[in-house]
Amino acid sequence: GQNIDQPTEMTATEGAIVQINCTYQTSGFNGLFWYQQHAGEAPTFLSYNVLDGLEEKGRFSSFLSRSKGYSYLLLKELQMKDSASYLCAVRSLANSGYSTLTFGKGTMLLVSP
Amino acid sequence: GAVVSQHPSRVICKSGTSVKIECRSLDFQATTMFWYRQFPKQSLMLMATSNEGSKATYEQGVEKDKFLINHASLTLSTLTVTSAHPEDSSFYICSARDLPGRTGETQYFGPGTRLLVL
Repeated sequence: GQNIDQPTEMTATEGAIVQINCTYQTSGFNGLFWYQQHAGEAPTFLSYNVLDGLEEKGRFSSFLSRSKGYSYLLLKELQMKDSASYLCAVRSLANSGYSTLTFGKGTMLLVSP
Repeated sequence: GAVVSQHPSRVICKSGTSVKIECRSLDFQATTMFWYRQFPKQSLMLMATSNEGSKATYEQGVEKDKFLINHASLTLSTLTVTSAHPEDSSFYICSARDLPGRTGETQYFGPGTRLLVL
């Protein structure tokens, strides 16, 4: 089976930096995604890592260590609009050749003034 | 960027009726579409994987006779909730995966359909 762990809630202040961690256990690992989801809305894609290392995209960066089953999402220069749930999702490739995406429970980030 | 639409965005129906939800990829071809369900304050739960031209693969615990999925073209998949009951009330979200080689097979999500069964 698959197991994805991430903190339930985090708080930070506007302008600060926050790191959201995600650990996973899976077979057939085929990539890790981070999504942002505002309340009542569908998730929006933030980043994708399949190789070890850091992927930077503006204020958002994502890191992956496949050997440790670990990823983090780094948000810089936090803004109030960054208050949302951040979902870590792991893609796994089954023997059938089909891949599935399994989501963690999400980390609710609250950015305060 | 890739856009996925869902229709309707919100639906209220009586218990026992059937509801059809459409998921369309607007500017790319999606060989695979996924249907998720999300209850309040919970994570996305994959219901089924839909491949164009073949039968959908359902996750354990999801009744295939109750949640009918049709993926007739590379841009359209439909989910029909048959004989809906109040416990089926949820946020249903589809996602579409573009063809391999385009953007690392990223999944793009539709805006979701909020279903309320009275």
